[in-house]
Amino acid sequence: NAGVTQTPKFQVLKTGQSMTLQCAQDMNHEYMSWYRQDPGMGLRLIHYSVGAGITDQGEVPNGYNVSRSTTEDFPLRLLSAAPSQTSVYFCASSSSTGTYEQYFGPGTRLTVT
Amino acid sequence: GIQVEQSPPDLILQEGANSTLRCNFSDSVNNLQWFHQNPWGQLINLFYIPSGTKQNGRLSATTVATERYSLLYISSSQTTDSGVYFCAVVAGRRALTFGSGTRLQVQP
Repeated sequence: NAGVTQTPKFQVLKTGQSMTLQCAQDMNHEYMSWYRQDPGMGLRLIHYSVGAGITDQGEVPNGYNVSRSTTEDFPLRLLSAAPSQTSVYFCASSSSTGTYEQYFGPGTRLTVT
Repeated sequence: GIQVEQSPPDLILQEGANSTLRCNFSDSVNNLQWFHQNPWGQLINLFYIPSGTKQNGRLSATTVATERYSLLYISSSQTTDSGVYFCAVVAGRRALTFGSGTRLQVQP
């Protein structure tokens, strides 16, 4: 199993550009989520999904869109990038049964100039 | 929402020393995890421990759910233990709430 994978690893955007961060998992997990980590801080929840076709907002959703058309994939879209969105983005997944243990991808480091 | 507090915020150790990191949380939890974020930014799962005690090599963790705290023990520390240690909890929905972390530096 590859676990949780994220692409790209690094990205530089100009203010106003849009892009999509990709996240995929091969563990058949129902629950997936996106977090951002700003320097010197813990992770904060952006959006999450409890299954295909179901998404909801987290703590810091503004400026981001998500959709979940398959169990495996959960892309995060930046609609019009702003310097305040410079951060490291992590995707995570967990099973909908049994434990609530979450597994994280390697992260995407995004810089908006 | 639930509050997660970690202490100490920073810790400097000599190689071979032992340490205890603490995580306090403000409400009942369904999940508690400890992570190590290495200097390259990768988040590594250390323990899934909503209650009880677990050990993995030089690391062990104890969660006392009724008193709303968890402890992470690192024994015989090595330079590769350096990084930031995060405690994160789930209360209610499945999203993790993270503490602000303990930054550990192990000096040779």
